Amino acid sequence: NAGVTQTPKFRVLKTGQSMTLLCAQDMNHEYMYWYRQDPGMGLRLIHYSVGEGTTAKGEVPDGYNVSRLKKQNFLLGLESAAPSQTSVYFCASKGTYNEQFFGPGTRLTVL
Amino acid sequence: KQEVTQIPAALSVPEGENLVLNCSFTDSAIYNLQWFRQDPGKGLTSLLLIQSSQREQTSGRLNASLDKSSGRSTLYIAASQPGDSATYLCAVSTGTASKLTFGTGTRLQVTL
Repeated sequence: NAGVTQTPKFRVLKTGQSMTLLCAQDMNHEYMYWYRQDPGMGLRLIHYSVGEGTTAKGEVPDGYNVSRLKKQNFLLGLESAAPSQTSVYFCASKGTYNEQFFGPGTRLTVL
Repeated sequence: KQEVTQIPAALSVPEGENLVLNCSFTDSAIYNLQWFRQDPGKGLTSLLLIQSSQREQTSGRLNASLDKSSGRSTLYIAASQPGDSATYLCAVSTGTASKLTFGTGTRLQVTL
């Protein structure tokens, strides 16, 4: 099992550009999450999904959109990137016993 | 709103020492508490998960305790090694979707 994988690992964008981060899990988990990690602030929840076709807002959803068309994939989109979205983005999925498993992260810089 | 605090923010100990990392949370209505390890530039590795009905969990040299009523958890590391150097994160799960609220972590350095 690959667990939780994220694509890409690194990306540099210019202000106003758009991009999509892909998260995939092969553990057949229903619940998936997107977090961002910023220095001194810990990880914060952006959006989450409790199953295929469902999404919901987390603590810091503004400027992001998500989609869960397939159970194994959870996409995070930035329609018009801003420097404040420079961060490390982590995807996670939740197992049977409520343990969350994290991907390796995507380091995004917006110039 | 749930808030999670980890003390100390940084800790340096010599190899072989036993140490305790602290985590406190403001809302005791949690489903579980999870301890993670994060190496620089890497993702999060789950160390221990304590369900709300449990008092402690052990894995090798690690022992985590949970006192839900007082809003506290501790992570005990026995006989520390340089390979234990990393940032340790505490997170509590609340709400219908088991969303995690994280502390800002304790950066541990174990010196030779």
